[in-house]
Amino acid sequence: GENVEQHPSTLSVQEGDSAVIKCTYSDSASNYFPWYKQELGKRPQLIIDIRSNVGEKKDQRIAVTLNKTAKHFSLHITETQPEDSAVYFCAANSNSGYALNFGKGTSLLVTP
Amino acid sequence: ETGVTQTPRHLVMGMTNKKSLKCEQHLGHNAMYWYKQSAKKPLELMFVYSLEERVENNSVPSRFSPECPNSSHLFLHLHTLQPEDSALYLCASSSIRGDRSQETQYFGPGTRL
Repeated sequence: GENVEQHPSTLSVQEGDSAVIKCTYSDSASNYFPWYKQELGKRPQLIIDIRSNVGEKKDQRIAVTLNKTAKHFSLHITETQPEDSAVYFCAANSNSGYALNFGKGTSLLVTP
Repeated sequence: ETGVTQTPRHLVMGMTNKKSLKCEQHLGHNAMYWYKQSAKKPLELMFVYSLEERVENNSVPSRFSPECPNSSHLFLHLHTLQPEDSALYLCASSSIRGDRSQETQYFGPGTRL
């Protein structure tokens, strides 16, 4: 499948700080970019998504930005809390439309 | 949390066994997916079914055989597995619109194999 690169693989921040996770994609036809959060032992759950017709979307402490020209999108978490600790996955839909190509994940640790 | 269910939650099998994983979605979706999650490749797509028809198969070994009898149920039949097949197998479902645009994928809790 098409590549989705995600960085960093691990991220440690102090409670209250911001966290930023970045992803790049290769398929110019991709138009849907979700972010999933997976807590230890649990299923991945959607936290926010963005479509290619907008450049930014915000939901409380979480925001996602998309740069179609550069083919990259980022997740921003502000005022981080210990319960934000989890693995975060970015994804982009494939040119077939059916599949999502996932990044390798970022393990976020928020320390009190 | 109960929109997509999977059974069993844990499975131990020998290399000569035959077993099946089951997934059921209660969300009225028309597409279902199997993913393999391991330390090496965190979320690796295996199969996609849309309207009960397989539309993508990502070069998965033949010892994994999917079955989608209707839009609410998806199975993964396993036989002659290898040690490297140990992983978490996640099922997901979503709605695919007529223009093939993707809606949110909802995951099941997974089967730890």
